[in-house]
Amino acid sequence: ETGVTQSPTHLIKTRGQQVTLRCSSQSGHNTVSWYQQALGQGPQFIFQYYREEENGRGNFPPRFSGLQFPNYSSELNVNALELDDSALYLCASSLDGEETQYFGPGTRLLVL
Amino acid sequence: AQSVAQPEDQVNVAEGNPLTVKCTYSVSGNPYLFWYVQYPNRGLQFLLKYITGDNLVKGSYGFEAEFNKSQTSFHLKKPSALVSDSALYFCAVRDMDSGNTPLVFGKGTRLSVIA
Repeated sequence: ETGVTQSPTHLIKTRGQQVTLRCSSQSGHNTVSWYQQALGQGPQFIFQYYREEENGRGNFPPRFSGLQFPNYSSELNVNALELDDSALYLCASSLDGEETQYFGPGTRLLVL
Repeated sequence: AQSVAQPEDQVNVAEGNPLTVKCTYSVSGNPYLFWYVQYPNRGLQFLLKYITGDNLVKGSYGFEAEFNKSQTSFHLKKPSALVSDSALYFCAVRDMDSGNTPLVFGKGTRLSVIA
């Protein structure tokens, strides 16, 4: 059984740029959630995808967008990057009907 | 709105001693409760969860947690701490009665086990 994987592991961007982060869900999991973890904070829910549709969204602006593909992998896109977007971005997968989410190692984004 | 409080930023315990990491929650309905652990530069690792049933939940690596509805608490415990337990611990809650609400995390408690 393959766990959740994310790429890249680290990324440095400048203000105003755009970034795409990728996540492969655990085998058989059809639901993917994305979280932002700022330094010294707990993860904050960005949005969730289920069967390629957005299935819930947290308090993040529209420049945070996502996709889920037929194989349940997912992307998080952030446009017009701001300094405060610097954080660890975590992807978690779960099986519909199951409550436990399994997290990937995260992508650390630094915006300069 | 649902929320989680972890009142201690840091907990220090000697190796071999029991440890407790505190968590209280607030939901309008009934809670799903979780504990996750995060090692440096890593993602979150699932430890245990309370969905329904017995108030004492046993999880990975000898950890357990007790659900107390009257005190709205879900403290994480281990009878004998190991140095390797040193990490950042997160409590999380989801309201099971409010539709598709997201998982809400506390700010985390850093556990330091001293040899």
